Amino acid sequence: SQTIHQWPATLVQPVGSPLSLECTVEGTSNPNLYWYRQAAGRGLQLLFYSVGIGQISSEVPQNLSASRPQDRQFILSSKKLLLSDSGFYLCAWSVRGLTGELFFGEGSRLTVL
Amino acid sequence: AQTVTQSQPEMSVQEAETVTLSCTYDTSESDYYLFWYKQPPSRQMILVIRQEAYKQQNATENRFSVNFQKAAKSFSLKISDSQLGDAAMYFCAYRSVSNNDMRFGAGTRLTVKP
Repeated sequence: SQTIHQWPATLVQPVGSPLSLECTVEGTSNPNLYWYRQAAGRGLQLLFYSVGIGQISSEVPQNLSASRPQDRQFILSSKKLLLSDSGFYLCAWSVRGLTGELFFGEGSRLTVL
Repeated sequence: AQTVTQSQPEMSVQEAETVTLSCTYDTSESDYYLFWYKQPPSRQMILVIRQEAYKQQNATENRFSVNFQKAAKSFSLKISDSQLGDAAMYFCAYRSVSNNDMRFGAGTRLTVKP
């Protein structure tokens, strides 16, 4: 069966420090991969999605970036964190193609101080 | 771009009763998918139910059912025989067949009273 893992689960970082959140999917090939951010009490905002290695689409201009170095690995990064980057980050995958639902990881809570 | 609106920030229901969560969406497309996700306190998003827009029949999954009104662009979720474990944030989501993203509403926090 397919599984998705993301880490770290919790992260507290000072303003201006770098960020790296990692997500991996197991049990499937060529998935679509997604990063969402959920601010407190709000819905999910799509940040990035990827349909293949090295193929990244950005939805929101910001100081975050994403990379997909391997088929089932998706990384969210920042060179210098802002206070506004605090939130709950969710990685998700879907079957290649446009018919399927998203399957979410456990989430990573980022607090920028 | 498509938008999804959940007009009820919070709802409460008595255990064993029925509750309906509302969702509307805006799109110019004729083919798409709609979903309801549940986010319990553990924060992991769980799929509750899905609906293909080309299907007229409303989807049902055990105690969960939807009322899909395509012309009105409405997609409500009905939870029957509510249980304490149903307490969570519920998100309505729209997925186009022409692109790869999924759009979410702001969510409805459901409280179940014993």
